[in-house]
Amino acid sequence: EPEVTQTPSHQVTQMGQEVILRCVPISNHLYFYWYRQILGQKVEFLVSFYNNEISEKSEIFDDQFSVERPDGSNFTLKIRSTKLEDSAMYFCARTTWTGELFFGEGSRLTVL
Amino acid sequence: SQQGEEDPQALSIQEGENATMNCSYKTSINNLQWYRQNSGRGLVHLILIRSNEREKHSGRLRVTLDTSKKSSSLLITASRAADTASYFCATIRRTGGGADGLTFGKGTHLIIQP
Repeated sequence: EPEVTQTPSHQVTQMGQEVILRCVPISNHLYFYWYRQILGQKVEFLVSFYNNEISEKSEIFDDQFSVERPDGSNFTLKIRSTKLEDSAMYFCARTTWTGELFFGEGSRLTVL
Repeated sequence: SQQGEEDPQALSIQEGENATMNCSYKTSINNLQWYRQNSGRGLVHLILIRSNEREKHSGRLRVTLDTSKKSSSLLITASRAADTASYFCATIRRTGGGADGLTFGKGTHLIIQP
């Protein structure tokens, strides 16, 4: 059973549309991450989120991206205006105090 | 930024044989981790080795770490068809739920032939 549950499992959208990907932790953790994996490429760090604030973000995480925890439980990643190159698997993860990550099964985003 | 790079990129062996994958990184680390990813699935944490450790075992997995060479190896003994997956090493500078995200390599795609 995954540590986090992600929805949707697959989303197809038109270029320029907004997309919201959701992550629901099984247990109450404060530290979360979003990662991205373009097909056939490496897993890339996007952003870390701690106690309802962005802790660190990568160069990939530009103004088109945002994260929030609107209801104190769900953890969302929003892409405001999707581009073709945003097509990828997006993984949510939570961490242990030693830095081990527990990933969700991912949300596959296809931008047409 | 520090980066793990796995070698080889792909490895195909017969079931029952041992599989060895290597990882190199660039900067100082607190720990190094190995993950497995089945096709189209999320990553699964396999094992973590701290910078002051040289070898660690978990079941059929054996990980070594050589901080002087900035390299690590993952050995899977007595491989099984279910071990077919991509294997990634990842590095992090700080522990304690630190702010730094893990940096992953490109992975080694392991195929176990029955």
